Formats: sequence, structure tokens, C-alpha cells
Amino acid sequence: GAGVSQSPSNKVTEKGKDVELRCDPISGHTALYWYRQRLGQGLEFLIYFQGNSAPDKSGLPSDRFSAERTGESVSTLTIQRTQQEDSAVYLCASSLVSLRKRVTDTQYFGPGTRLTVL
Amino acid sequence: DAKTTQPTSMDCAEGRAANLPCNHSTISGNEYVYWYRQIHSQGPQYIIHGLKNNETNEMASLIITEDRKSSTLILPHATLRDTAVYYCIVRVFYNNDMRFGAGTRLTVKP
Repeated sequence: GAGVSQSPSNKVTEKGKDVELRCDPISGHTALYWYRQRLGQGLEFLIYFQGNSAPDKSGLPSDRFSAERTGESVSTLTIQRTQQEDSAVYLCASSLVSLRKRVTDTQYFGPGTRLTVL
Repeated sequence: DAKTTQPTSMDCAEGRAANLPCNHSTISGNEYVYWYRQIHSQGPQYIIHGLKNNETNEMASLIITEDRKSSTLILPHATLRDTAVYYCIVRVFYNNDMRFGAGTRLTVKP
């Protein structure tokens, strides 16, 4: 089936504006992850969803960042009052997790949203 | 998760095998070895993973030493499109985040 999709692919915004980034995971994948990758750097974990709940929000850099997931499907990452240091590629990944069956949850990544804050 | 060590960069001639090493000397018994790659401006792409046995799929082979302290990713016939940053990650199978280090920048040359 289709892979993880993200929209928009590119977003340019002015400092202080709010932005919403969308992720559509692979159908049936129960876990969803958001990461941030600044230019020339590695991936930085932001948040993880199991179903519609987020048991681990430890990676969110500030209270300007929030995320939600509905219908165990689409997720939205919202950044309020954007700052220039928020400029990065925001990556979403999804995985199938079955603790009962102990299925290895390989994460599959989307193409990312490149956010530029002017 | 266990820390991994990879060379910063490697070159490989087109058509030859690319062998990318990874050290993970502090790996514990329930941690898997994963390999991803990231081609410029794209999201990371899953390649292969394993626990203790060698693994092979359509993209690559993964050789894990008997003591599991190191592994090698093998691209049997590298092409120019294999030029990317390759990440070796060690993690418990359902841990929440993937700890991507700096990876190895592989350049395949004609």
C-alpha cells in the first residue's frame, strides 16, 4: 500500500505565525512518531503516539509545540508563534506494534516537511 | 539504547560491494541492530534489521558478529543511487524513538 505521506512538503512562514504540519501514516499502523532534523544534523525525537494517545511527549522542545492524532490515523504537529530556530525538516514515521505478538516495529518514514521561518 | 560507532565517510566504486561497519560493544541481549539510510533531502529509508543471525533482503545483507558487538551492512553491487548517509541503530524492538547518530556518508563513484 501507500507509504507515509506528509503535507505540505515545504512551508515558509514568518516569525510569530502558527503552522500545522500533517502526517498520514501507513494504513493500519498503530504507532506514529514525529522527529525534527535541523540542517546537517541527525534526527531529534519529538513525540510518539500509540493509537490516539501520546504516552511520551518528552521530546517536545517547548510548550509552543503540540501534536494530536485522531481516528488512529492522521496526526497534526502544531507549532505556535514560530521562531527562526524552528526551521528544520519535520519527519513523521509510523510502525505496526503488537506487544502480544512481539512484532518488531520497524519505523517507516515519510518524505518530511521542510519548514522555513523567516 | 546502546551507542553505536560508525566511520564518518566511505567511498565505493560503482558495481563493487560496499561494506559499512558498525560497532555496538554495549549492546544488550534484547536489542536489535537496525540500518537506515537517508538520501539527500529525503526521509530515512529502512534497509534491514537483525537480532543475532545474519539477514538478507532485496536491498542488503546484515552480518552480525557472534558476540554481537559489531555488524556490517553489505550492499552487494553498489550503484550511484546508493550514495547516502547510512545509520546503524541499536534499540529494544519497541522503544519509542530511533537514536540516529551521525551515520556514515557513503559515496559511490563511477
